Amino acid sequence: EVELVQSGPEVKKPGEALRISCEASGYSFSRYWIGWVRQMPGKGLEWMGSIYPYDSDVRYSPSFQGHITISADKSSSTAYLHWSTLEASDTAMYFCARHVYCNDGVCHTTDNWGQGTLVTVSS
Amino acid sequence: QSVLTQPPSVSAAPGQRVTISCSGISYTIGNDFVSWYQQFPGTAPTLLIYDTYKRPSGIPDRFSGSRSGTSATLRITGLQTGDGADYYCGIWDAGRGAVFGGGTKLTVL
Repeated sequence: EVELVQSGPEVKKPGEALRISCEASGYSFSRYWIGWVRQMPGKGLEWMGSIYPYDSDVRYSPSFQGHITISADKSSSTAYLHWSTLEASDTAMYFCARHVYCNDGVCHTTDNWGQGTLVTVSS
Repeated sequence: QSVLTQPPSVSAAPGQRVTISCSGISYTIGNDFVSWYQQFPGTAPTLLIYDTYKRPSGIPDRFSGSRSGTSATLRITGLQTGDGADYYCGIWDAGRGAVFGGGTKLTVL
């Protein structure tokens, strides 16, 4: 059974750094793209970027490029989302999700999602 | 603002049928990668439909998908009170990556 388990909620101050995680199990982690999706309070889903753990190929949404870093550790089957400098506007729920039926970074769909990590940034 | 447009809300009574549209899709040959997701408050989305009309195992056939021109449609028949949720369409664009619609809140009256 495919499972994505995310790290717990975080409360941070503006300007602080943060890394949240997503541990995968039940499938070959290296061979599937895994992405991050933001959902701000009361709002819709926004794709942030995805990584192919096999070769660490990363694709970012232009809206998030430069503000986040996505990485993966094949040895622990874990994907990460990192901010070096948080802003209050980063307050949101963040989901990791597995993409399937992919070819050269273009994927058909996203079939499994983590439970979400709530990040609150407030002074 | 999403590039995929969905109605903010739809409603219908139990047992009835409802459709949710998703417009603004730029199809290319061989690209029918429209997905639909269901999300209950406080939980992660779940995949309902992929490749425009395919259902993952475990999704009842009350849920179906279709497309016409630059729009896709999610149809739910035999509405149940438990279907009340937010529904999102999504595509994968070679230039922009994954793109989601703004979401539609379904109320089962």
